[in-house]
Amino acid sequence: NAGVTQTPKFRILKIGQSMTLQCTQDMNHNYMYWYRQDPGMGLKLIYYSVGAGITDKGEVPNGYNVSRSTTEDFPLRLELAAPSQTSVYFCASSRAGDEQFFGPGTRLTVL
Amino acid sequence: AQSVTQLGSHVSVSEGALVLLRCNYSSSVPPYLFWYVQYPNQGLQLLLKYTSAATLVKGINGFEAEFKKSETSFHLTKPSAHMSDAAEYFCAVSDGSSASKIIFGSGTRLSIRP
Repeated sequence: NAGVTQTPKFRILKIGQSMTLQCTQDMNHNYMYWYRQDPGMGLKLIYYSVGAGITDKGEVPNGYNVSRSTTEDFPLRLELAAPSQTSVYFCASSRAGDEQFFGPGTRLTVL
Repeated sequence: AQSVTQLGSHVSVSEGALVLLRCNYSSSVPPYLFWYVQYPNQGLQLLLKYTSAATLVKGINGFEAEFKKSETSFHLTKPSAHMSDAAEYFCAVSDGSSASKIIFGSGTRLSIRP
């Protein structure tokens, strides 16, 4: 099992550009999550999904969109990148009520 | 609403000394509690979890944590620090609901002095 994989590992965007962060898991988990991690701030939940076709907002959803067309994939979309979205983004998955498994992260810089 | 407070953003101990990382939580329902570790430039990895079974939980790499309901605490300890323990540690709480959302603390960076 590869677990949770994320691409790309690094990306630099210009203000106003758009991009999609990819996340895939091969553990057949129903639950998937996107977090952002800023220095000294811990992890903040952006969006989550409890199954294919179902998504919901977390703490900091503004500026982001998600979709969940399959159990395996949970892409995160940035439509109009802003400097405030410079962060490290982590995708995670879990079975219900159990630990979350994290991907290696995507380091995004918006200039 | 649930929340987690980690006391001390940075803890430094000598190699071989006791490691104690503090975590207090608030939850309106019996909580699930977790400690995660993050090594530089990596994702988070589960160290241990409490899910209402034994109050003393043993995890990987010699770490353990004790759930104390009266103190709403879930402190992480290790008897003897090793250089490889240097990392960021996150305490987290979940209400175990169907969404399984986890609230993370702000993290404690552990440094080990030779």
